[in-house]
Parts: sequence; C-alpha cells; structure tokens
Amino acid sequence: KQEVTQIPAALSVPEGENLVLNCSFTDSAIYNLQWFRQDPGKGLTSLLLIQSSQREQTSGRLNASLDKSSGRSTLYIAASQPGDSATYLCAVYFHTGRRALTFGSGTRLQVQP
Amino acid sequence: NAGVTQTPKFQVLKTGQSMTLQCAQDMNHEYMSWYRQDPGMGLRLIHYSVGAGITDQGEVPNGYNVSRSTTEDFPLRLLSAAPSQTSVYFCASSPLLQETQYFGPGTRLLVL
Repeated sequence: KQEVTQIPAALSVPEGENLVLNCSFTDSAIYNLQWFRQDPGKGLTSLLLIQSSQREQTSGRLNASLDKSSGRSTLYIAASQPGDSATYLCAVYFHTGRRALTFGSGTRLQVQP
Repeated sequence: NAGVTQTPKFQVLKTGQSMTLQCAQDMNHEYMSWYRQDPGMGLRLIHYSVGAGITDQGEVPNGYNVSRSTTEDFPLRLLSAAPSQTSVYFCASSPLLQETQYFGPGTRLLVL
C-alpha cells in the first residue's frame, strides 16, 4: 500500500530557530510531491511543489528537498516566526494507483514568541 | 478569480437525511476532487474527476455520489447521512493532477 508518513506529529520551537519537517513515502515511483500549510479551521494552501525530476524548490524562507531513492522529503523553514504556526502537510502523487494525491497526517508546528 | 468555493460552510444533519455539498471553481481546471479530513487520519480521497463527464472512486467512496456535468462544478451527494460521515470536507482543483492543487475553505458536517 502506498503511504505517506510525517514525523513528528507535533513540534514546538522558539522564534528565530531554523527547523526541518520530515516526510517519507513508500514508493519511489512518483510524479511529484507537494507541501501544504493548513491554519486551524481553514483550507489548505500550497507552499511548494517538487516534480519528480527536481531535487529541491525554494520560496522565500522555505526550502523543500526531494530524495526519491530514499523515499524522503524535507521542508526547511529558516528563521521561524510565530506566524509560521500551522499544520504542514506533505502529499505525493504516485505513478501507480489512483490518480490523486496521497496525504500524510501532518506536522503541527507551534513557534513560540 | 474566486478560486475554489464551497457551500455551505457548516451543516447539521440527522441520521438518514440526504444533502449535497457544493463545489465550484472559476479557473477552468480539468481536475477536481473531494477529500474528507478527520482528526489523526489526514485527508482521505472520496471521489475525483479528470474532466466533465468523467468521475472515479477514491479511497473512501461508500455513502457518497458525485457527478461532473460542467467543468466548473463538482457536487458531492450524501445519500443517507450517518454519524460516521461527521467530518470536514474539502474540494480541490488543478489544471492537471501533476500541477498545484487549489483547495476550497471546507464544509464542516455534523451528523446526529
């Protein structure tokens, strides 16, 4: 079964710290991997999309990497701010199976001022 | 562009009632999908569509129907609501599945 796992489930850091969120997936045959942000009671906002042929993508203080061979992706957040507090979700579009994203359960991030 | 819109925002149903959750997008996206989100379980795919007139089942399709008569609209019908269908429902769209997904704000459903 194709699965996406995110560890840890929750993370609390002081403001200004650099941090890494982890995502692992069970099948290296993927089209792309996406990172989303979800604020409490809200919908999902796309942060970064990494195509299968790419190794990383950057947007502002965010950098996402992809290592297909090991089935891992990381989301690096530089100089964290209280406004970064949210749940971060990783989703993978696998080659085989349903034509849809498979989501991890998310990492709930709290940045303490 | 309004993006992806969902109505209603919140709904309370009694067991056995039926209802339709509305989803619309004004970006001319071919791909649309419905997810439900439950605590500790992430988002699970209910149904999806790769274009008008084409739909397919996702991971948890039982108790739900969909149709796609236009590119813009993708309604989700609950045939006979059950307490297990209490959840937050999200609709998403993209030009193609390989591209960035845009999500609606969600519909919170409580089935008593």
